[in-house]
Amino acid sequence: DSGVTQTPKHLITATGQRVTLRCSPRSGDLSVYWYQQSLDQGLQFLIQYYNGEERAKGNILERFSAQQFPDLHSELNLSSLELGDSALYFCASSVTSGADTEAFFGQGTRLTVV
Amino acid sequence: TQLLEQSPQFLSIQEGENLTVYCNSSSVFSSLQWYRQEPGEGPVLLVTVVTGGEVKKLKRLTFQFGDARKDSSLHITAAQPGDTGLYLCAGAQSSYKLIFGSGTRLLVRP
Repeated sequence: DSGVTQTPKHLITATGQRVTLRCSPRSGDLSVYWYQQSLDQGLQFLIQYYNGEERAKGNILERFSAQQFPDLHSELNLSSLELGDSALYFCASSVTSGADTEAFFGQGTRLTVV
Repeated sequence: TQLLEQSPQFLSIQEGENLTVYCNSSSVFSSLQWYRQEPGEGPVLLVTVVTGGEVKKLKRLTFQFGDARKDSSLHITAAQPGDTGLYLCAGAQSSYKLIFGSGTRLLVRP
């Protein structure tokens, strides 16, 4: 158990819909990262927050947004869903914001868009 | 564009054999991490290498960071079925971004 909690574990929704994925970081970790993992593209970095502020952005679509709340949990919002958005979405957390620090991953949310 | 290329993509070997997985890039990274991911789980960090030429050992696993900090390798000695999984390398591209390779799927047959 990494200490990072992601909910829900599985999500099935229709195209055009909007979903929210939730992540609770390890106790004491200030940094939260979101990654998308699909079969053909590996783990793609989406976005990072540190202590409530956006710190880095990767290949995140405009239809996607995220935020980190004062209690440090984070949410990833995916809207106008397309079939191609079906993937595993991972959240990771670390104590500091540097990419050199050890990041602990949650078990992921498997999103299926039908 | 994949900044980190891993090879081979798939590897199926017999228990007791040795293997090497490679992680290559044309970019320089400040550090490189290796993760192992099992089905239904998130990646778990195995090691971080920081200095060019650095070699780290973790039981039967040996990790090496290239002198120019552009490539890395993972060598497993006497592989066991418990080593089965997806091995991912990840490079720190900037202070905040961690870029992952496409992964190597390893199957160790009893």
